[in-house]
Amino acid sequence: SQQGEEDPQALSIQEGENATMNCSYKTSINNLQWYRQNSGRGLVHLILIRSNEREKHSGRLRVTLDTSKKSSSLLITASRAADTASYFCATDAKTGGTSYGKLTFGQGTILTVHP
Amino acid sequence: EAGVVQSPRYKIIEKKQPVAFWCNPISGHNTLYWYRQNLGQGPELLIRYENEEAVDDSQLPKDRFSAERLKGVDSTLKIQPAELGDSAVYLCASSFGPRHEQYFGPGTRLTVT
Repeated sequence: SQQGEEDPQALSIQEGENATMNCSYKTSINNLQWYRQNSGRGLVHLILIRSNEREKHSGRLRVTLDTSKKSSSLLITASRAADTASYFCATDAKTGGTSYGKLTFGQGTILTVHP
Repeated sequence: EAGVVQSPRYKIIEKKQPVAFWCNPISGHNTLYWYRQNLGQGPELLIRYENEEAVDDSQLPKDRFSAERLKGVDSTLKIQPAELGDSAVYLCASSFGPRHEQYFGPGTRLTVT
């Protein structure tokens, strides 16, 4: 089962433009994480945002979290051709007690950045 | 710092044959995960270890899949016998603990014919 659902499924932009990807989920979470996967390569962790945080930055990446709407967004500013990849959100759901670490991934957004 | 190491990178087998995947996590990472990723999908957790203990194997098909993590370091995931539907990329990940970000290996692409 997949809790996180990314939107859009695919996004095509020009270099220098900003890219925004959204993620919606269904249950309460401990944290939400964003990962990138290049063609033929493994997943790379980008940002972890905890349930009590609303916004986080890392370089050209900005992640927001709205727990009341059960949604998150990933913004990549000034995109580059090297940003071309699939982007996944993953939720660490609260399953009772203090259980952590069981990530549920969405289907991902395929981002293509044209030079 | 070396990342998560997996082998083999690719494996092609006939259905009903056994297959095994090996993972060496990042040094010092106590938590180890095995995921399966089907084409066009996100990874799905199969099993999670805290040191030697499998703390979550609820999504591991136990009739044909098995895993072990001897001495709390390396881990092996086995499928016996393999079915056509097992074709996927099998990813290993590790982390300092369950509350921390996970670092993924390059994966093993399994093709069952």
